[in-house]
Amino acid sequence: GAVVSQHPSRVICKSGTSVKIECRSLDFQATTMFWYRQFPKQSLMLMATSNEGSKATYEQGVEKDKFLINHASLTLSTLTVTSAHPEDSSFYICSAKHGRSDTGELFFGEGSRLTVL
Amino acid sequence: GQNIDQPTEMTATEGAIVQINCTYQTSGFNGLFWYQQHAGEAPTFLSYNVLDGLEEKGRFSSFLSRSKGYSYLLLKELQMKDSASYLCAVMDSNYQLIWGAGTKLIIKP
Repeated sequence: GAVVSQHPSRVICKSGTSVKIECRSLDFQATTMFWYRQFPKQSLMLMATSNEGSKATYEQGVEKDKFLINHASLTLSTLTVTSAHPEDSSFYICSAKHGRSDTGELFFGEGSRLTVL
Repeated sequence: GQNIDQPTEMTATEGAIVQINCTYQTSGFNGLFWYQQHAGEAPTFLSYNVLDGLEEKGRFSSFLSRSKGYSYLLLKELQMKDSASYLCAVMDSNYQLIWGAGTKLIIKP
């Protein structure tokens, strides 16, 4: 099956620093990738939709200047949490849509657990 | 508004059968998905239903009734490794996934 790799899996940083999380589709081209945030015991919350070669579409309430998303190639999207604060500590997950299928099967990265001290 | 409802938690016994229900109200419908998520891990795809009826895949089956806005995930011959959260998600008319909060399934020996 299709593989999506996310890196790093865990990151601890100091408050005020920026953290970059990478999401790669290893064996397919993903024109669309999604970034989610998940708090403990809660469902996935879609943060933004990332389309290759264009600006990301952010969900309501998500600060685009704080969560920078870049989708420079068909196999890589990055999420940068800028000036991170303890409340940004969370589990961040990316997913990629295989090809242009609208059936919606998404392949998920392993997730990145961010802890901001 | 758009809404996905599923039970918060269920408990079942190893070897038994469990049914996890999901009801939805969304702006349009382009399919319903079930995902399994183990604690601390990303979700993995289980099933996709877009037409009414039952889809069977090994120990797991998924049912859909579009007229009732209802689906269920049926797990047979439960194993301890099936302990996880099960997420129901509906694709709306804009092809966006609307996620339920998930059902935590606890399997007891």
